Amino acid sequence: DSGVTQTPKHLITATGQRVTLRCSPRSGDLSVYWYQQSLDQGLQFLIQYYNGEERAKGNILERFSAQQFPDLHSELNLSSLELGDSALYFCASSVEGVQETQYFGPGTRLLVL
Amino acid sequence: SQQGEEDPQALSIQEGENATMNCSYKTSINNLQWYRQNSGRGLVHLILIRSNEREKHSGRLRVTLDTSKKSSSLLITASRAADTASYFCATGPVNSGGSNYKLTFGKGTLLTVNP
Repeated sequence: DSGVTQTPKHLITATGQRVTLRCSPRSGDLSVYWYQQSLDQGLQFLIQYYNGEERAKGNILERFSAQQFPDLHSELNLSSLELGDSALYFCASSVEGVQETQYFGPGTRLLVL
Repeated sequence: SQQGEEDPQALSIQEGENATMNCSYKTSINNLQWYRQNSGRGLVHLILIRSNEREKHSGRLRVTLDTSKKSSSLLITASRAADTASYFCATGPVNSGGSNYKLTFGKGTLLTVNP
């Protein structure tokens, strides 16, 4: 158990819908990262937040957005969902300034029908 | 785009044998990490090697890094059936001064250890 929690574990929805994925980082970790894992693209970095502020952006679609709240939990919002958005979405956290190891949550498996 | 490329894509060995996986990357790095993923589950951090290190050990794991060749290898000795998983290398960027430690992952090596 990495200490990172993600909810829900599974999500089935329809095209055009909007979903919110939630992540709670390890106690004390200030950084939260979101990754998408799909069969064709592999593991792709989406976005990083550090202590509430966006710090780095990767291959994140405009239909996707994220935020980190004062209690450091983070949410990833996916809207106007398409079939190709079906993937595993991972959240990871790390302690900034100490080490670069990222601790991954168990993931949310999203299926868009 | 993928920074790291693991080789081989798949590896099948018998219990007790050693498994070696390789990773190549393209740009300058601050560190290189190896992660394990059991089927469809979260990634587990195995080991981190910094750009100024050449070799690191952790239990049955041995990692080497050759920055001149932009490559790394992960050796698992005396493999067990429980080592069956996908193994990913991930590179951390040269720190530009900000708190940006996003990792760039390769596509992974699927290791199967047969009992």
